[in-house]
Amino acid sequence: EAAVTQSPRSKVAVTGGKVTLSCHQTNNHDYMYWYRQDTGHGLRLIHYSYVADSTEKGDIPDGYKASRPSQENFSLILELASLSQTAVYFCASSDGDTQYFGPGTRLLVL
Amino acid sequence: QQQVRQSPQSLTVWEGETAILNCSYEDSTFDYFPWYHQFPGESPALLIAIRPVSNKKEDGRFTIFFNKREKKFSLHIADSQPGDSATYFCAARNYGNEKITFGAGTKLTIKP
Repeated sequence: EAAVTQSPRSKVAVTGGKVTLSCHQTNNHDYMYWYRQDTGHGLRLIHYSYVADSTEKGDIPDGYKASRPSQENFSLILELASLSQTAVYFCASSDGDTQYFGPGTRLLVL
Repeated sequence: QQQVRQSPQSLTVWEGETAILNCSYEDSTFDYFPWYHQFPGESPALLIAIRPVSNKKEDGRFTIFFNKREKKFSLHIADSQPGDSATYFCAARNYGNEKITFGAGTKLTIKP
């Protein structure tokens, strides 16, 4: 049974609209991460969290907000979606060493 | 800012050969260096990892060589198989804040 799940798995959004990507983990891990993947750029860290109700900025936080309401849940919010935010988004949880990735969300902004 | 540099961007080797993937880093506070692989349409998954106290880590056909002085580490895949074809990412973790930085990836193709 998958320990890190993401919803939705794919989404088409309009420019300027609000998008919320959700992540749920059953690993009992304190650390959770949001990455975006684009061809040629690998995985880039957007936001991460090491405890509920607290989030940290990653390397490319501009245009994104994050929310960690509980240990199990971590959301990524795009308040005003833009064309440049079209990408695949991965959530991961970690025991401090290994990152366990979810299946990804393919986001297309039109 | 790219703190972890990975090369080559793509690599093709024949089945049975050794594939060598390279990474370098800048931040001396990095304390953990994993390699992940990602097959098409799937999520990245941990392959093998090393800590700076060691200069070599082996797991079957996969070996990490680590050079702390030069801030470089590499993944060697011996006796490459077509099933090894995937994108490989090196990464580094900051001591204390658990922030992970990934390299841009190497797309590896093994020709039978």
